[in-house]
Amino acid sequence: EPEVTQTPSHQVTQMGQEVILRCVPISNHLYFYWYRQILGQKVEFLVSFYNNEISEKSEIFDDQFSVERPDGSNFTLKIRSTKLEDSAMYFCASSQAGTVKTEAFFGQGTRLTVV
Amino acid sequence: AQKITQTQPGMFVQEKEAVTLDCTYDTSDPSYGLFWYKQPSSGEMIFLIYQGSYDQQNATEGRYSLNFQKARKSANLVISASQLGDSAMYFCAMREGHRAGGGADGLTFGKGTHLIIQP
Repeated sequence: EPEVTQTPSHQVTQMGQEVILRCVPISNHLYFYWYRQILGQKVEFLVSFYNNEISEKSEIFDDQFSVERPDGSNFTLKIRSTKLEDSAMYFCASSQAGTVKTEAFFGQGTRLTVV
Repeated sequence: AQKITQTQPGMFVQEKEAVTLDCTYDTSDPSYGLFWYKQPSSGEMIFLIYQGSYDQQNATEGRYSLNFQKARKSANLVISASQLGDSAMYFCAMREGHRAGGGADGLTFGKGTHLIIQP
């Protein structure tokens, strides 16, 4: 069964460093998303991406964050100059369409720890 | 204001009993979708069931059903014959359909309910 794949599963980085979280969405999906979940809290939407551009972004997704689809398979989230409060589980998701009824399939997540 | 409210932070249920997880939502958009996801202790997010705002019937998927009461803006998840493997966090989420020009709205999640099934 096709699935969304995220690497690495766990990343530890020093405050101020840049990190890149990688995702391989399901191959025939056209819409891609990043979410984050701070430990013990709800899942929060960061950004959606369609047709090689950002479709929507939340208040959390400030200039520190960027997304890219560098080739036909990968979808990346870059966090520049990480802060302690960026420590969270980051989920990538993808969907075939962007309609209200289209379910998003989530990856296993990358646990980012900023020390 | 919270768009998705899950009022039960935690629930204990005996195995084989049915359980209802509450979810209320807030939107002025006539077109929206409601989703339930399960998050076991391993951390992944597993899609369970979907209900559309225009759907006439309540959604069902195996042991999962959705008690959709549009006027009350509630979309409670019902799990029948609960199993030990149902122990997990359960999140209600909504996607609104106001985007007319295409693109994709993200899901708005509730805070979740931690369900523990006891033998």
